[in-house]
Amino acid sequence: GEDVEQSLFLSVREGDSSVINCTYTDSSSTYLYWYKQEPGAGLQLLTYIFSNMDMKQDQRLTVLLNKKDKHLSLRIADTQTGDSAIYFCAESQANYGGSQGNLIFGKGTKLSVKP
Amino acid sequence: EAGVTQSPTHLIKTRGQQATLRCSPISGHTSVYWYQQALGLGLQFLLWYDEGEERNRGNFPPRFSGRQFPNYSSELNVNALELEDSALYLCASSSLDISHTIYFGEGSWLTVV
Repeated sequence: GEDVEQSLFLSVREGDSSVINCTYTDSSSTYLYWYKQEPGAGLQLLTYIFSNMDMKQDQRLTVLLNKKDKHLSLRIADTQTGDSAIYFCAESQANYGGSQGNLIFGKGTKLSVKP
Repeated sequence: EAGVTQSPTHLIKTRGQQATLRCSPISGHTSVYWYQQALGLGLQFLLWYDEGEERNRGNFPPRFSGRQFPNYSSELNVNALELEDSALYLCASSSLDISHTIYFGEGSWLTVV
């Protein structure tokens, strides 16, 4: 069945790069996502990558996808204290009637940024 | 442009009662998804509606139900509330045209006492 795995915690110093890793199991996933959740808030879509891409860069964020190993990573350059949050990796279920269907989420990685 | 909006923000109910949560998708989005985020259980998919029809359902009992209205807004109903239904309920929306972008609302906190 589908499963998305993430490490639970990551601690970095302000200004360093953060790398959050994720592995997924559904090889038919077409899109993979990174969401950010701050305390008491909903999920903020950070970025997504289509499964035929290897890399996507968006300002401080770089997503790397290794489809062979089913490994996804999110790199945050110049990490700031405001980046402290829980980061969720998610994969879309195989296309259902042409749409993306629902997402399968990892349990989230809590990023702590120390000044 | 308004994002996904949910109401109420917080809801306290007694065990055995019914709860109704509401969601308005982003303008132009026809798909609405409901997720439950319970402490220690992560984000669990509940329901997916598109064009008024239920398209997919997660592994939840039938007392979790919902509907989507002609204006694409949606309701989630939870009957016969149990203590373990206490959670943050998140609604998300997407457009079939750009369905790889799925946006979430701020959620509704349901507490069952």
